[in-house]
Amino acid sequence: QSALTQPASVSGSPGQSITISCTGTSSDIGSYNFVSWYQRLPGKAPKLLIYEATKRPSGVSNRFSASRSGNTASLTISGLQADDESYYYCCAYAGPSTRVFGGGTKLTVL
Amino acid sequence: EVQLVESGGVVVQPGGSLRLSCAASGFAFDDYTMHWVRQAPGKGLEWVSLITWDGGTSFYADSVKGRFTISRDNSNFSLYLQMNNLRTEDTALYYCAKETYYNYFDSWGQGTLVTVSS
Repeated sequence: QSALTQPASVSGSPGQSITISCTGTSSDIGSYNFVSWYQRLPGKAPKLLIYEATKRPSGVSNRFSASRSGNTASLTISGLQADDESYYYCCAYAGPSTRVFGGGTKLTVL
Repeated sequence: EVQLVESGGVVVQPGGSLRLSCAASGFAFDDYTMHWVRQAPGKGLEWVSLITWDGGTSFYADSVKGRFTISRDNSNFSLYLQMNNLRTEDTALYYCAKETYYNYFDSWGQGTLVTVSS
């Protein structure tokens, strides 16, 4: 199972919106709605931002939103803030026997 | 509060063996599938292995198949990863993670560092 494809880096200014794409295949994102997104701050455990492609857990800011279409999922962060600067990872269910992560995207807030 | 605490990470020589542990608390451990996920230096997250709630079924990434064995002891709320024939490319921070019924990870440990080096 190959890793999902994410851009290595994205950037934006405070207050702007950015979108991170996550491209998989018909065996993972294209087949199942079980796409999740995680924020990975240095020295911290990954934090769940989005589950089931579009749902936000309680406690996660509504500035984080996501979508899924075909073999691609996307995470949008609106109203960028300095503390959004982090690494972001998508993850997809690819059947009962495996999960697959994206390579990660480094978000820089300019 | 859910807590996952990994331990067992050390420096080991190539070809060596190591057993990682993850102590779980704050939830019904024997209700959930558990996973190991790793992050090599400068790389992204990589799924390693999963084990179902009863320990009856387990799966592995191709990169570790035949060398790593996942297990659990529900009576002791513990998850394990036996790592044999270690390679330099196994050097990583290893996390245990709890998966919900809807196939996402809602809790992670802080990780334990495995370094494979001569």
